[in-house]
Amino acid sequence: DTAVSQTPKYLVTQMGNDKSIKCEQNLGHDTMYWYKQDSKKFLKIMFSYNNKELIINETVPNRFSPKSPDKAHLNLHINSLELGDSAVYFCASSPTSQGAGNTEAFFGQGTRLTVV
Amino acid sequence: QQQVKQSPQSLIVQKGGISIINCAYENTAFDYFPWYQQFPGKGPALLIAIRPDVSEKKEGRFTISFNKSAKQFSLHIMDSQPGDSATYFCAASRYSGAGSYQLTFGKGTKLSVIP
Repeated sequence: DTAVSQTPKYLVTQMGNDKSIKCEQNLGHDTMYWYKQDSKKFLKIMFSYNNKELIINETVPNRFSPKSPDKAHLNLHINSLELGDSAVYFCASSPTSQGAGNTEAFFGQGTRLTVV
Repeated sequence: QQQVKQSPQSLIVQKGGISIINCAYENTAFDYFPWYQQFPGKGPALLIAIRPDVSEKKEGRFTISFNKSAKQFSLHIMDSQPGDSATYFCAASRYSGAGSYQLTFGKGTKLSVIP
């Protein structure tokens, strides 16, 4: 009954490779996010999608490309991986509400990416 | 530019003591202030949250105090237990349009509660 699930949980790959992380949520939320947590545990938003539409695109190298095939899925594809991409990537989802509504974000377990 | 500043970076508290974590924000567009708890190997999970029209919110042993004029808020954990040992993140949320909210996190506080 996992609410937000990511695969894989661990990913070890060589520099220059291309890899994807998959995310699925079964909460019926319209909005999904990708966050990056660095080695110092700092969490920063990367992307936000609402009903398959890109809403937030923070300053992220264009080697990172999110893809949302439907509102329950938001995958992250990374091209030409670099050592500095090593981090934990979290997918999250939240219900849609206009204005000051319920903005609780539910996070997945994370994908620990190690680039060697 | 760090929009949400959190302190301390780490905290050690005796079992039964009070843990206090402080945060300050800059952007007045933030309208929702959640605290997240993260255990090793897990994703952050919402612990408690407050809106700026309320000065205090209590849920069990956890209390948020909010000072809108000072743009500060804090988390108090009463009767701290070893099971509370985790990393705590304060966050501030603002509406980004089209049903999307952007959470800006503090840098986290690693809490250790010793028996």
